[in-house]
Amino acid sequence: DTEVTQTPKHLVMGMTNKKSLKCEQHMGHRAMYWYKQKAKKPPELMFVYSYEKLSINESVPSRFSPECPNSSLLNLHLHALQPEDSALYLCASRKIAGGPYEQYFGPGTRLTVT
Amino acid sequence: SQKIEQNSEALNIQEGKTATLTCNYTNYSPAYLQWYRQDPGRGPVFLLLIRENEKEKRKERLKVTFDTTLKQSLFHITASQPADSATYLCAPNMRFGAGTRLTVKP
Repeated sequence: DTEVTQTPKHLVMGMTNKKSLKCEQHMGHRAMYWYKQKAKKPPELMFVYSYEKLSINESVPSRFSPECPNSSLLNLHLHALQPEDSALYLCASRKIAGGPYEQYFGPGTRLTVT
Repeated sequence: SQKIEQNSEALNIQEGKTATLTCNYTNYSPAYLQWYRQDPGRGPVFLLLIRENEKEKRKERLKVTFDTTLKQSLFHITASQPADSATYLCAPNMRFGAGTRLTVKP
């Protein structure tokens, strides 16, 4: 099973709302990632978790708050977003030890901020 | 700063021909490089990974090369089909190039 699931598929939120994106994998991968992708642009790395600890934060604004409650789950908490934050948010995971090292991506959550 | 360039934004080829896509990177030395396919509105789908100590890797009609001296990877699709039409992304380590949109015409 090489599946990464993400919920919800679509999300519309106002600038004052608080919402969360969820990502789950059951492949035993201990590295998990959040990417943001705008239309006709490549995925842009936001956060990396290794062994449930935040290892990389690509200077993402604090209105995005990641959380890795266990080795299978990754959340992205959203608060006070701006319309320019509208994008496809992608979750990915991969093995750390022993390889192979390819990242598997979920289908993404299409976020619209109004 | 790290920079990843894919040679062209779009590539059009005839069915049956070989598509060759280029990925160049600067200012870092990735331990591995991945190639992905992405269709509109969907997440990237993993195709191939090549490590820094590997020169070439193949999978069915796909071939990837990795030249760490030139800081370049080439991605080939042989006997291309219209179903291969998509955007192809290279990712040295975990960061992505802008992608090349491939269109295979029947």
